[in-house]
Amino acid sequence: EVQLLESGGGLAHPGGSLRVSCAASGLTFASYGMSWVRQAPGKGLEWVSSVSGTGSGERTFYADSVKGRFIISRDTPKNTVSLQLNSLRAEDTAVYFCAKETESSGWYIFDYWGQGALVTVSP
Amino acid sequence: EIVMTQSPATLSVSLGERATLSCRASQSVTSSLAWYQQKPGQAPRLLIYGASTRATGIPARFSGSGSRTEFTLTISSLQSEDFAVYFCQQYDNRPPTFGQGSRVEIK
Repeated sequence: EVQLLESGGGLAHPGGSLRVSCAASGLTFASYGMSWVRQAPGKGLEWVSSVSGTGSGERTFYADSVKGRFIISRDTPKNTVSLQLNSLRAEDTAVYFCAKETESSGWYIFDYWGQGALVTVSP
Repeated sequence: EIVMTQSPATLSVSLGERATLSCRASQSVTSSLAWYQQKPGQAPRLLIYGASTRATGIPARFSGSGSRTEFTLTISSLQSEDFAVYFCQQYDNRPPTFGQGSRVEIK
């Protein structure tokens, strides 16, 4: 059974940094792209970033709203994907979900999701 | 980016009745359309992909249809566990984008 378990997050001041991580189990991790999707309180879903599978070169992609501030990385031997959140803004406050893609790259169907990690940005 | 628009925002339905939710794309996404269900405090769950293919373990009462810019999710006979928020998402172009969600509530 595929399981995704997020950790990290918490409270940061505007301009600060946080890191969220996701540990995956029950799958051949290297074969799949992984994404982060966020949800602001009471709002809809917003794709944030993705990293493709090892066979697709572990390429990284970002939403315009976070480009230049967030960094996604994967540690395939440890079956983890992380998101470094820098230069945080109030509008980055959200639950951050780790999501598994059904393919190695570019096919953004999210078939498994973690439980989410809350990031709050406040003075 | 492609804008996804869902309607209605809220649908009030009785148990056993049919629910029909709509999703419109600002440009063609061919059949690259997924539907997710989200309950309070939970992560989204994949229901439908490819506009009409049910994901593993999804009951047959859930069905999807449509192509290009117009899509529909139908729940044929609502069960108590189906009251939730439903999101559509296109994956034809990067960035993948979601609709704002439709809430299905008990009438």
